[in-house]
Amino acid sequence: EVQLLESGGGLVQPGGSLRLSCAASGFTFSNYAMGWVRQTPGKGLEWVSEISGSGGNRFYADSVKGRFTISRDNSKNTLYLQMNSLRAEDTAVYYCAKEVASESYGHFPSWGQGTLVTVSS
Amino acid sequence: DAVMTQSPLSLPVTLGQPASISCRSSQSLVYSDGITYLTWFQQRPGQSPRRLIYKVSNRDSGVPDRFSGSGSGTDFTLKISRVEAEDVGVYYCMQGTHWPLTFGQGTRLEIK
Repeated sequence: EVQLLESGGGLVQPGGSLRLSCAASGFTFSNYAMGWVRQTPGKGLEWVSEISGSGGNRFYADSVKGRFTISRDNSKNTLYLQMNSLRAEDTAVYYCAKEVASESYGHFPSWGQGTLVTVSS
Repeated sequence: DAVMTQSPLSLPVTLGQPASISCRSSQSLVYSDGITYLTWFQQRPGQSPRRLIYKVSNRDSGVPDRFSGSGSGTDFTLKISRVEAEDVGVYYCMQGTHWPLTFGQGTRLEIK
């Protein structure tokens, strides 16, 4: 059974940094691309970033490009999202999601439970 | 960006009655491989999104057959043949054809 467990969320001041983690189990992690999707309070879903199974290809939404960095450690079966220069509008629940193949994107058959990031002074 | 527009945004339905949600894209969702990457997700209250339908009309494992997806090009529809209480939640369409990936605003289904 696929399991995705996010952690690292919390309260951070504007301009601050936070690193989210997503621990994966139940599948061969390195064989699948992974992504981050966020959901602002009471609002809809927004794609944030994706990374290929090898980590060689990375994609970002314009709203986070240059501030967020997606990475993965296949030896630890863990996905990361380093978030710098955080803004109030980054406040959201961040979900990690599994893809269907190493270089296949935008499918998201499996999601984690999410971790809340609050950017406020 | 491919803008995804859902309608209606709120959908009150009587138990046992059908429901239909429309999703329109500002661009054709047919990829260069000929496949249309249009996905539907359900988000029940307090839960993470769950994929229901992929590539327009393919139901995920465990999804009741009262859910069906159809459409082509830029116009897509999610239909529930007979709404049950467990179907309450928000439904999102998402396109995976163009970067960036984009979602519809969501349609909130409630029991009338």
